[in-house]
Amino acid sequence: GIQVEQSPPDLILQEGANSTLRCNFSDSVNNLQWFHQNPWGQLINLFYIPSGTKQNGRLSATTVATERYSLLYISSSQTTDSGVYFCAVGTFGNEKLTFGTGTRLTIIP
Amino acid sequence: DAGVTQSPTHLIKTRGQQVTLRCSPKSGHDTVSWYQQALGQGPQFIFQYYEEEERQRGNFPDRFSGHQFPNYSSELNVNALLLGDSALYLCASSLNLLAGNTGELFFGEGSRLTVL
Repeated sequence: GIQVEQSPPDLILQEGANSTLRCNFSDSVNNLQWFHQNPWGQLINLFYIPSGTKQNGRLSATTVATERYSLLYISSSQTTDSGVYFCAVGTFGNEKLTFGTGTRLTIIP
Repeated sequence: DAGVTQSPTHLIKTRGQQVTLRCSPKSGHDTVSWYQQALGQGPQFIFQYYEEEERQRGNFPDRFSGHQFPNYSSELNVNALLLGDSALYLCASSLNLLAGNTGELFFGEGSRLTVL
């Protein structure tokens, strides 16, 4: 099956800093989503982005499908951005999502 | 617009018991998927239901079974519980991919199962 790798596994930043999270995948995809898992376990949708670039406030994401990677950018980090960020992908004809191992982001006040 | 709702939020069982978890999809969604998330790991796909039938299944034993009702809500049943079944169980809903939709998933808050 498809392999999904995220980096870095852990990231500790001061409030106000910017960060870039990366997701590499091993096969062509027709679905790619970024999620933020809050301390209570809920997965919050950030982006549906199988290709191209999207922005939502301080967050933006870019997926280069031909090179099989996606990037999530967080600018001017706030303590509420802390948590685990997951990239998840789906392949053609296969509706399940395969998740990466996540990046744990900690924002220090 | 109601999102995905799951119940119960927490539960404790002993080895060998059976458990049923429930999920109501986001309004307008017709497809429900279940995922298991062990501590410190990413969610793993269990199965997906559409039109009251299991359409796709991950690498989970037959102890894990499910059901979808005519109103699109779903249940996950786990029999003969093992210690290793302790996890966060996440339900996700979406629109049918075959109808030309994107397949974007929306998750509930999860049911945290502890097996003693």
